[in-house]
Amino acid sequence: EPEVTQTPSHQVTQMGQEVILRCVPISNHLYFYWYRQILGQKVEFLVSFYNNEISEKSEIFDDQFSVERPDGSNFTLKIRSTKLEDSAMYFCASSGTSGVSTGELFFGEGSRLTVL
Amino acid sequence: AQRVTQPEKLLSVFKGAPVELKCNYSYSGSPELFWYVQYSRQRLQLLLRHISRESIKGFTADLNKGETSFHLKKPFAQEEDSAMYYCALRTDDKIIFGKGTRLHILP
Repeated sequence: EPEVTQTPSHQVTQMGQEVILRCVPISNHLYFYWYRQILGQKVEFLVSFYNNEISEKSEIFDDQFSVERPDGSNFTLKIRSTKLEDSAMYFCASSGTSGVSTGELFFGEGSRLTVL
Repeated sequence: AQRVTQPEKLLSVFKGAPVELKCNYSYSGSPELFWYVQYSRQRLQLLLRHISRESIKGFTADLNKGETSFHLKKPFAQEEDSAMYYCALRTDDKIIFGKGTRLHILP
């Protein structure tokens, strides 16, 4: 069964460094998402992406964040200059095989980011 | 404001007893609601959605627009139901989640 895959599973970085988290969505899906979960808190929406552009983003998704689908298979989240409060589990999700997004999101296993 | 509220952080239930996980929402439009589940060491996955009106693994959830609720129920809990349960609301181009309720089934 196809799955969303994420790399790395865990990344430790120094504050101020750039981080790129990678995701390979399910191949025929058209909608892509990033969520994050700070330890002990809820799963928070960051950004949705469709047709090669951001369709919606949250207030968390400020200028330090960017997303890209560089090659038709990968979907990346970049944090330009990490802060301590960026430490969290980051989840990628994908959905939708036609022009209509569904509510069934298929999640990856997450990338744990630790900022020191 | 769009919001999903799950008032219980932890719910402990004896095996065989009924389960009810509470969820309330706030949304000005026509809501589309879901329950997602995360079992230990597994990824977050869809359990059920209100438009399907189906029972999955013995769980059901009814949308009550008057009470703005979408509680998850199961008549007889099983040990394998122990997991983290998230109520979710679809708004525009995103799904927003509640804080989650950890369901612990006692033997």
